Amino acid sequence: KQEVTQIPAALSVPEGENLVLNCSFTDSAIYNLQWFRQDPGKGLTSLLLIQSSQREQTSGRLNASLDKSSGRSTLYIAASQPGDSATYLCAVSNDYKLSFGAGTTVTVRA
Amino acid sequence: EPEVTQTPSHQVTQMGQEVILRCVPISNHLYFYWYRQILGQKVEFLVSFYNNEISEKSEIFDDQFSVERPDGSNFTLKIRSTKLEDSAMYFCASRARLQETQYFGPGTRLLVL
Repeated sequence: KQEVTQIPAALSVPEGENLVLNCSFTDSAIYNLQWFRQDPGKGLTSLLLIQSSQREQTSGRLNASLDKSSGRSTLYIAASQPGDSATYLCAVSNDYKLSFGAGTTVTVRA
Repeated sequence: EPEVTQTPSHQVTQMGQEVILRCVPISNHLYFYWYRQILGQKVEFLVSFYNNEISEKSEIFDDQFSVERPDGSNFTLKIRSTKLEDSAMYFCASRARLQETQYFGPGTRLLVL
């Protein structure tokens, strides 16, 4: 059974600092890995998807890396802003069924 | 931009009652999913659906649960006899053929009393 772990559980940084969010998974036979943002009481917004054959994916200030053999992914958010405050979820796809981590709750202080 | 929609946004029901949660996936998507998130816990996969049949279901998705695509646009999750532990946020997601990203709806918060 796929297990997904996200560290740290919570993170508080001053505005402008870069964010580093970690995700690890136990079964490396994945189709892809997806990073989501979740605001309190809201749905999941897809941020980035990295296919299993890719090492990296970028969108604006966001960059995600994937090391499938070691079962790790990292989400980097450059020059954080208060609007980046949210919970970030990592999800890995085995046969298109997503297994989620518990998330990292980020607070960016103005 | 097309998005997945879900109704209702909130539902309160009595234990033992039936509830139907509704989803309208993105129009050209062919793969549909239900997930749930119990308060303070991880998002969990419930079921996937393609070509009018269930592709895969989790251990959570027992005989009390069913899914249906009653017409060309709606995708529903029915819980036949709700239990207290069914209280959760239920998310619908959809995916296009030949694409891997799953797009999630805003969720339905179900409270079973």
